[in-house]
Amino acid sequence: DARVTQTPRHKVTEMGQEVTMRCQPILGHNTVFWYRQTMMQGLELLAYFRNRAPLDDSGMPKDRFSAEMPDATLATLKIQPSEPRDSAVYFCASGWAGTGAFDGSSGANVLTFGAGSRLTVL
Amino acid sequence: AQSVAQPEDQVNVAEGNPLTVKCTYSVSGNPYLFWYVQYPNRGLQFLLKYITGDNLVKGSYGFEAEFNKSQTSFHLKKPSALVSDSALYFCAVRPRGGGSYIPTFGRGTSLIVHP
Repeated sequence: DARVTQTPRHKVTEMGQEVTMRCQPILGHNTVFWYRQTMMQGLELLAYFRNRAPLDDSGMPKDRFSAEMPDATLATLKIQPSEPRDSAVYFCASGWAGTGAFDGSSGANVLTFGAGSRLTVL
Repeated sequence: AQSVAQPEDQVNVAEGNPLTVKCTYSVSGNPYLFWYVQYPNRGLQFLLKYITGDNLVKGSYGFEAEFNKSQTSFHLKKPSALVSDSALYFCAVRPRGGGSYIPTFGRGTSLIVHP
């Protein structure tokens, strides 16, 4: 089965350090999402790319977070500087979304999630 | 704006009994509806979706969901629960058309199936 691959799976770092999380979406998918999951907030959308273009990052703290897709096989989420409140599990997900005024079943954009990156900031 | 409500943080059911995990939604126009499941230390996995057609949708692992347009609900069901069904379940919605492919997720419902 095709998978979304995330690295690292676990990261422990100290406050103030830079953290970079990487995601390899499924080949052929044209949408990529970054989510953050915590007990308090549940699943929060941080960033959304379609055809590698960033279309929504309204949920992302702009002063310290950045998300990019340097190519179709790599998406990155960077935190600089990291803070203890950033401790969470970060998920990448990819899907296929059709284009045009009408999208049929292929445009439903079912997401495939990676296994997540568990970040602990001390 | 679209939204999803999962009114129960936790659902407890005995193994072999039927289970229902509730979901209601709010969206402009007709929706795409989804259920995902998350097992411990794993990412979310797709279970089933409603696009159009029959209101009863069948998915993986014996799960099904019923789309009710008048009640704006999409409850997840299974006739006979297994202990291995214990997990966190997320309902999601997104509108058709409009160019936005961003789903809105509910907060999740923890399903606990007791032996």
